[in-house]
Amino acid sequence: GAGVSQTPSNKVTEKGKYVELRCDPISGHTALYWYRQSLGQGPEFLIYFQGTGAADDSGLPNDRFFAVRPEGSVSTLKIQRTERGDSAVYLCASSPQTGFYGGELFFGEGSRLTVL
Amino acid sequence: GQSLEQPSEVTAVEGAIVQINCTYQTSGFYGLSWYQQHDGGAPTFLSYNALDGLEETGRFSSFLSRSDSYGYLLLQELQMKDSASYFCAVSVAAGNKLTFGGGTRVLVKP
Repeated sequence: GAGVSQTPSNKVTEKGKYVELRCDPISGHTALYWYRQSLGQGPEFLIYFQGTGAADDSGLPNDRFFAVRPEGSVSTLKIQRTERGDSAVYLCASSPQTGFYGGELFFGEGSRLTVL
Repeated sequence: GQSLEQPSEVTAVEGAIVQINCTYQTSGFYGLSWYQQHDGGAPTFLSYNALDGLEETGRFSSFLSRSDSYGYLLLQELQMKDSASYFCAVSVAAGNKLTFGGGTRVLVKP
């Protein structure tokens, strides 16, 4: 497909477990973003990549959260020692260039994480 | 930091016009974007304003006043499929990092 792909679409885990969420951006898009959305809220910024490097990780809530993008394409969001408060939809978005061009991000449908 | 205010919910009938206001407080400002999100779906881009004035895209229009830190999204000729949540978002730095408002849920009734 041509859009942003996220897997898994749903993940149920137990408190304390480790979770990985994957994002496959649109081919050729150099910028990649992770957001978190709780029910009834707007997306909340977590981290932004330009190519392979994290350009801005100011939204990561604590050191249990980590994200990588080793080859400048697919990205993985990793959450250690999950807590019930981590339950949310994790959205990935990409954009075709890293310079500012007009606010359009292309979002995937998200990975819904439920921590029991 | 950044904060954005928008109404939580709006209800209207098919064929009507709805205006969703967004006020923002930011340190720095590049532009204001609007996104639509259906339940369980991905946010999708609707419009972007960097300069004052009205941008029209089909049935949807967006307005920005930088001096008032205010914008709105206008939905015309409402259709049932327009029932969704609408988010305003500000860009405050290069790199297209967006800060979103809490969203306005629009319910269109027959």
